[in-house]
Amino acid sequence: NAGVMQNPRHLVRRRGQEARLRCSPMKGHSHVYWYRQLPEEGLKFMVYLQKENIIDESGMPKERFSAEFPKEGPSILRIQQVVRGDSAAYFCASSPGTADIQYFGAGTRLSVL
Amino acid sequence: AQSVAQPEDQVNVAEGNPLTVKCTYSVSGNPYLFWYVQYPNRGLQFLLKYITGDNLVKGSYGFEAEFNKSQTSFHLKKPSALVSDSALYFCALTNAGKSTFGDGTTLTVKP
Repeated sequence: NAGVMQNPRHLVRRRGQEARLRCSPMKGHSHVYWYRQLPEEGLKFMVYLQKENIIDESGMPKERFSAEFPKEGPSILRIQQVVRGDSAAYFCASSPGTADIQYFGAGTRLSVL
Repeated sequence: AQSVAQPEDQVNVAEGNPLTVKCTYSVSGNPYLFWYVQYPNRGLQFLLKYITGDNLVKGSYGFEAEFNKSQTSFHLKKPSALVSDSALYFCALTNAGKSTFGDGTTLTVKP
């Protein structure tokens, strides 16, 4: 049973471009979470999704950021018109249900030039 | 609103000594509490959890944590630290599907 898979591991974008981060949850997991970790800082919750539904997006910036978890395929975190402040590690986690252990991917490190 | 506090950014201990990494929380309702560990350039790994039952929870790699409802704490402990325990530790709270993580504590175990 493969773990949570995130790709790409590293992503370099210029200011104004779009970044697409992908997360394939563990098999059988229908709950996906996205977190952002800035250098030397903790983990900040961004969004919680179940299949085709956004359950809680209270940690997502109101503009430029969006997330989806379609019926088929991975969850996508999309950042439009990236700025230097978006440079961070973005982690995805999945769980089989609410209040369950979250299994984390290795993260995508986004660098905005 | 729920919150998690890890009051120490850094904890330093000598190998073989006991270690404690502190965590306090605030939530309305019953908390589900977790500890995770993060090694450099890696994702978080689950260590242990408290859902209900015995207040002393045992987890991976010899770690344990004690749930204290009156003090709203969930401190992580290990009787004898190893150099390989050096990492970043996160306490997390889940309630009604929302997870909140502490800011993390860097544990350094010196030989």
